[in-house]
Amino acid sequence: RKEVEQDPGPFNVPEGATVAFNCTYSNSASQSFFWYRQDCRKEPKLLMSVYSSGNEDGRFTAQLNRASQYISLLIRDSKLSDSATYLCVVNKVNTGGFKTIFGAGTRLFVKA
Amino acid sequence: DVKVTQSSRYLVKRTGEKVFLECVQDMDHENMFWYRQDPGLGLRLIYFSYDVKMKEKGDIPEGYSVSREKKERFSLILESASTNQTSMYLCASSQQTGGRAGHTQYFGPGTRLTVL
Repeated sequence: RKEVEQDPGPFNVPEGATVAFNCTYSNSASQSFFWYRQDCRKEPKLLMSVYSSGNEDGRFTAQLNRASQYISLLIRDSKLSDSATYLCVVNKVNTGGFKTIFGAGTRLFVKA
Repeated sequence: DVKVTQSSRYLVKRTGEKVFLECVQDMDHENMFWYRQDPGLGLRLIYFSYDVKMKEKGDIPEGYSVSREKKERFSLILESASTNQTSMYLCASSQQTGGRAGHTQYFGPGTRLTVL
């Protein structure tokens, strides 16, 4: 079983739709959580951190459920420019420091 | 702005060749990483480094080695390239702090390597 699992999609949604991505992680020692965005043929870039209390950044809302080891990303009022792959990322403490684990990503296509 | 650069965007090599992939970051980050990204598998960590001359194996180090002689530069070496090393290679760097910001990784644009 992968340490970080995501639905690969693709999710095909019309502009203006609300779409939600889920991610589960297997290691309860995981400490910090992020969503990265990767455009086609580009490098991943940090989208937002995920906090236990939930956090919002404009149209994007991230939630963390430590008990269920589950992370989500909600995108409201989708734009064409939201089309990308969204990577769930988990950091856990490891010997000598920390280890970062990337999910394989969920692809989103927003259509006009 | 953090900038991570990689020596080539596209590279074509033959089986058995020695391949060098260079990565440079300009933000004085302590941590540097090399990943490969393949469809359906996501990003897999090859090697990482917490400091100059220090290296640690990641999840898939076989067939690779690294060098970190200077803080800003982290090189990935394929001693004898094979066709199964055809992939997108991504370099990243991050600060070494205890806070969340220290765990944010900044990526280079990637090198698409094809081994024939």
